[in-house]
Amino acid sequence: DQQVKQNSPSLSVQEGRISILNCDYTNSMFDYFLWYKKYPAEGPTFLISISSIKDKNEDGRFTVFLNKSAKHLSLHIVPSQPGDSAVYFCAASDSGGSNYKLTFGKGTLLTVNP
Amino acid sequence: DAGVTQSPTHLIKTRGQQVTLRCSPKSGHDTVSWYQQALGQGPQFIFQYYEEEERQRGNFPDRFSGHQFPNYSSELNVNALLLGDSALYLCASSLGGVPGELFFGEGSRLTVL
Repeated sequence: DQQVKQNSPSLSVQEGRISILNCDYTNSMFDYFLWYKKYPAEGPTFLISISSIKDKNEDGRFTVFLNKSAKHLSLHIVPSQPGDSAVYFCAASDSGGSNYKLTFGKGTLLTVNP
Repeated sequence: DAGVTQSPTHLIKTRGQQVTLRCSPKSGHDTVSWYQQALGQGPQFIFQYYEEEERQRGNFPDRFSGHQFPNYSSELNVNALLLGDSALYLCASSLGGVPGELFFGEGSRLTVL
């Protein structure tokens, strides 16, 4: 039973446009959500996070939106750059993220074309 | 400042054998978590070590065991290897700070034949 779902295995966008990556979750105990980025032959790197008490968090070109009623979150990248091409993982945690135990989705491969 | 380092990077074993993977956490970090990433899947939590004790465990059989040393480094041991254990094994470290933020190593790619 997948508790964190990323239903789009891949996404292709043009440089300068917006990239929107989506994630759904089923576990109501999740109260902290993160996005990780992974390049080939490297470990995942932390990108941005959001607590369930917020509905939006912004960091430079990256914004995460959380819709608790729909159990849905999305990552917006504006403007997209070729260096953003990577696999993006959505992850969720309970306990406010303090236990550092994450449940990951399967990932979405983002390709940003020059 | 060294990040999370793992060894070996690649290894091949046969069914029934045993394997030990090693991890050194990021400098200053005291908590080590291990994740298994099968092909086409997201990382899956195996267990977490803090103060040399297993603090949390995911849904993995007892064939998976671990250890944390006084210098915070850690080992993951898998006994009686199965073909399905073939995966990328990721080590991650943490120390308070941003909730949920883990620092990952590059992983150890295990192939079981």
